[in-house]
Amino acid sequence: AQSVAQPEDQVNVAEGNPLTVKCTYSVSGNPYLFWYVQYPNRGLQFLLKYITGDNLVKGSYGFEAEFNKSQTSFHLKKPSALVSDSALYFCAVRDRRGTSYGKLTFGQGTILTVHP
Amino acid sequence: GAGVSQSPSNKVTEKGKDVELRCDPISGHTALYWYRQSLGQGLEFLIYFQGNSAPDKSGLPSDRFSAERTGGSVSTLTIQRTQQEDSAVYLCASQLADEQFFGPGTRLTVL
Repeated sequence: AQSVAQPEDQVNVAEGNPLTVKCTYSVSGNPYLFWYVQYPNRGLQFLLKYITGDNLVKGSYGFEAEFNKSQTSFHLKKPSALVSDSALYFCAVRDRRGTSYGKLTFGQGTILTVHP
Repeated sequence: GAGVSQSPSNKVTEKGKDVELRCDPISGHTALYWYRQSLGQGLEFLIYFQGNSAPDKSGLPSDRFSAERTGGSVSTLTIQRTQQEDSAVYLCASQLADEQFFGPGTRLTVL
């Protein structure tokens, strides 16, 4: 069974500082990995994904994530946080075996708060 | 272009009543998923439709839950004899290639 852990319920950073939201995963095969963001009363918005290739993936709004196979991690990062980045962030995994379709397994989510 | 739409956006019902939640996926997307987001359980997979294949119902929490996808497009999630623990936001997503696109969700409150 696949699983995702986001060890921090909340992350607080000051505007302009770098931010990291942590994610570790467990999956039988090689993973598809995703980050989604959810703003209040909104659906999930796709940020970025790792399928194959470079371990450093760049996504929307200046976010990036680094795939680390040995540590089974896929931490989300941004060099300089904005107040508008404050939201709920979800990491998700899908088993790569078979087709590219299949259910996502999500972490519990991390609330990111960026202070002015 | 149009994204995934869901209706109603909010639904309040009494315990024991049946409810239907609707999802209109992005045109041309062959895969459709239902998830549930609740405070205690986070985001849970419910059911998945892919083309004409039999749906993956492995996430449905009980036999009170069912879903259909007609004509490979619109999907309806039905909850019979609703219980208070069914209160949650129900999210629909459609997929093309690797990425799932989510709708805004239906917030279900069972009194």
